[in-house]
Amino acid sequence: QLQLVESGGGVVQPGRSLRLSCAASGFTFSNYAIHWVRQSPGTGLEWVAVISYDGGVQYYRDSVKGRFTVSRDNFENTLYLQMNSLRADDTGVYYCVREPCRASCFNFDFWGQGTLVTVSS
Amino acid sequence: QSALTQPASVSGSPGQSITISCTGTSSDVGGYNYVSWYQQHPGKAPKLMIYDVSKRPSGVSSRFSGSKSDNTASLTISGLQPEDEADYYCSSYESGSSYVFGIGTRVTVL
Repeated sequence: QLQLVESGGGVVQPGRSLRLSCAASGFTFSNYAIHWVRQSPGTGLEWVAVISYDGGVQYYRDSVKGRFTVSRDNFENTLYLQMNSLRADDTGVYYCVREPCRASCFNFDFWGQGTLVTVSS
Repeated sequence: QSALTQPASVSGSPGQSITISCTGTSSDVGGYNYVSWYQQHPGKAPKLMIYDVSKRPSGVSSRFSGSKSDNTASLTISGLQPEDEADYYCSSYESGSSYVFGIGTRVTVL
């Protein structure tokens, strides 16, 4: 059974850091590119970042470049998102999302249940 | 990375057909055949309904169909059913190796 389970969310003050994790099971994790997508009431769904199947390539949305880092451990079947210098507009539910191939499928075929990040003083 | 434009809400009676539009630019919707659509029920994660403009994943009802013309993509739901009531989001690959989503459309079954 396919599973993506996010963890690590919580309430954090502006300027602080947080690391999210996503544990994968039920499929061969190392065969798929994985994305982070966030959702907040004010802005709907927003793509955040992607990492290639082998971890060699990462891309980010402009507003998080230089602050967020996506990484993966294919031995532990886990994806990470290190978030530094957090801002109020980073608030939202963060989803771990699978792209249905190693690279360049351009869609998202399976989503985790998400973890809530709230940036507030 | 501006959000794609969708109507805030669309409604229809059971059995009717409705269409949701998704308008972007030549840098996203108009430039690539990589538009996908997602259904999201309250409190749930999004579900892939259409990919590559008009392809349906296995298990998705044939009542859902997609199309594209220039910078506007569309999702049509035929034979509307109560369980179709949900939020729907379009997404497109965009130049620069990133993705953009629509603002979302609330579908109401009257």
